Amino acid sequence: QLQLQESGPGLVKPSETLSLTCTVSGGSISGASYYWAWIRQPPGKGLEWIGSIYYSGTTYYNPSLKSRVTISADKSNNQFSLNLTSVTAADTAFYYCARHLLNWKWGQGTLVTVSS
Amino acid sequence: QSVVTQPPSVSGAPGQRVTISCTGSSSNIGAGHDVQWYQQLPGTAPKVLIYSNTNRPSGIPDRFSGSTSGTSASLAITGLQAEDEADYYCQSYDNTLSGWVFGGGTKLTVL
Repeated sequence: QLQLQESGPGLVKPSETLSLTCTVSGGSISGASYYWAWIRQPPGKGLEWIGSIYYSGTTYYNPSLKSRVTISADKSNNQFSLNLTSVTAADTAFYYCARHLLNWKWGQGTLVTVSS
Repeated sequence: QSVVTQPPSVSGAPGQRVTISCTGSSSNIGAGHDVQWYQQLPGTAPKVLIYSNTNRPSGIPDRFSGSTSGTSASLAITGLQAEDEADYYCQSYDNTLSGWVFGGGTKLTVL
């Protein structure tokens, strides 16, 4: 059964880089034609797609975040990661990783707070 | 402001049927891109109710159903129950943005 688990610092200082990792179990990130995505949700607000990486390595980013976002895959550890640079308080959110093609399978999410 | 729009809130009495609309454009739903629907209970991750417009993952009751027509999609919930009180989000792909987009969310209140 596929499971995704987000991990990383819960607190990041303004202007620094937010880095999160999604560890995948029960499935290979390099197998089949799946996308692996990051989505975020500021507390009390709606959902925002950040970006996705295709199993081949091609990346797709939300235009509103594209200049600050990098998504990469570590196939040897069956993980994929999110880097978001120059963070501000507006980047405080629950961050979710997910696998998608037709259906979407999400992790439980992790809260990242941007504060000094 | 999202490119797919939902009503901020809907309500219904137990046992009733409610629908939640998701209005898009020719760049997303109208282009034939799949629509997903999620339920989010307080403090939890979103849960897929409907994928690819009309499909329910295993374990989702048939009280939940999805449909599309033109540039819009709808989620219908029949036999409303107290535990259905939650936030609901639609999602699709948008050609103009070249990425996936979410509706702003709809809060369902069970009266």
